[in-house]
Amino acid sequence: AQRVTQPEKLLSVFKGAPVELKCNYSYSGSPELFWYVQYSRQRLQLLLRHISRESIKGFTADLNKGETSFHLKKPFAQEEDSAMYYCALRGTGGYSTLTFGKGTMLLVSP
Amino acid sequence: SAVISQKPSRDICQRGTSLTIQCQVDSQVTMMFWYRQQPGQSLTLIATANQGSEATYESGFVIDKFPISRPNLTFSTLTVSNMSPEDSSIYLCSVAGQGVGTQYFGPGTRLLVL
Repeated sequence: AQRVTQPEKLLSVFKGAPVELKCNYSYSGSPELFWYVQYSRQRLQLLLRHISRESIKGFTADLNKGETSFHLKKPFAQEEDSAMYYCALRGTGGYSTLTFGKGTMLLVSP
Repeated sequence: SAVISQKPSRDICQRGTSLTIQCQVDSQVTMMFWYRQQPGQSLTLIATANQGSEATYESGFVIDKFPISRPNLTFSTLTVSNMSPEDSSIYLCSVAGQGVGTQYFGPGTRLLVL
């Protein structure tokens, strides 16, 4: 069975500080990892995918198979980054089903 | 991207009753998903609904409790049957987007069962 663990419920930083949201996973096959974000009063949306190797809104995430991690990083946090962040893993089978972590609330203070 | 709406946005229900949640998409999609997000918990997939076939339920969820309809490529309903306070949750509809693992989510239905 696959599992996604986000150890921090809340991460509070000051504007301009580096941010790292942790995500660890358990999966027997070759994983596909994602970060989803939910801003206040908005719906959940995709932030980035590991297969795209992209940087979105200054965020990056590298899949580390040795450590089974997919941490989300940003060198300089902005107040508008405050949101709920969910790490997700694509399940097995033929569907695009996702297993989500419990989420980490990021609060960026001025 | 797909624009998804859900009705109702929230409701307060008495135990033992049932509530049907509607999910409408602005484009035709093959795969739709229903999730539950209980207070303080993550999103948990209830079932995958493909048009023209029976919904596929995840472990711990059964059709008698959460019947799903998928009459066409733009619409689905989830019914929460014989509700108890433990069913108090946010229920989310989503659709598969382009790109593996990409999903677009509705705004959610916030349900409180008394």
